[in-house]
Amino acid sequence: GENVEQHPSTLSVQEGDSAVIKCTYSDSASNYFPWYKQELGKGPQLIIDIRSNVGEKKDQRIAVTLNKTAKHFSLHITETQPEDSAVYFCAATPRGVWNTGTASKLTFGTGTRLQVTL
Amino acid sequence: NAGVTQTPKFQVLKTGQSMTLQCAQDMNHNSMYWYRQDPGMGLRLIYYSASEGTTDKGEVPNGYNVSRLNKREFSLRLESAAPSQTSVYFCASSRLAGGNEQFFGPGTRLTVL
Repeated sequence: GENVEQHPSTLSVQEGDSAVIKCTYSDSASNYFPWYKQELGKGPQLIIDIRSNVGEKKDQRIAVTLNKTAKHFSLHITETQPEDSAVYFCAATPRGVWNTGTASKLTFGTGTRLQVTL
Repeated sequence: NAGVTQTPKFQVLKTGQSMTLQCAQDMNHNSMYWYRQDPGMGLRLIYYSASEGTTDKGEVPNGYNVSRLNKREFSLRLESAAPSQTSVYFCASSRLAGGNEQFFGPGTRLTVL
């Protein structure tokens, strides 16, 4: 099955700086890569996702890049703000027709706790 | 729309007790999921239901059972709780299975003594 590794486990940046979180995956069949943000006491919420037919996607201060050859993808947050402080999770799965095998399930990384200091 | 709702929010059990965690979604989603979240281990899939009437095991199904009661509701049952099941449990739903956005509930914090 898929294995997703995420680094770093904790990240502290000053307000206004950029933050980068990196993930690697093992299953070459994976082609959907979402990123979730989890605030304290809440469930994770999707903030951006990328599919394997594109190398980069941007949404305001957030961007995700994907390198399928190297099997890694990264989340980039620019001009960080205190409200960006949260735990971020990457995930991977093969997209497409559902099957009951393990390959079609979303596999999460272990999370990165981002702290943005004033 | 309330999205995904979970009950209860907190629960303390003694070893050997049983309980059912309830989950409901009002987004007319086909697929539903149960995850557990433990420190340093991210989210791990316990069971999922690709569509109404089907359920399947995830990564860590031992000690749990599920019921897809109807399209809206997906419950998780612990028949004989163990301290190793102390965790935060999240229910999620998605329009379709596979690579589609999953919407998560607020979680249930379960402690087994």
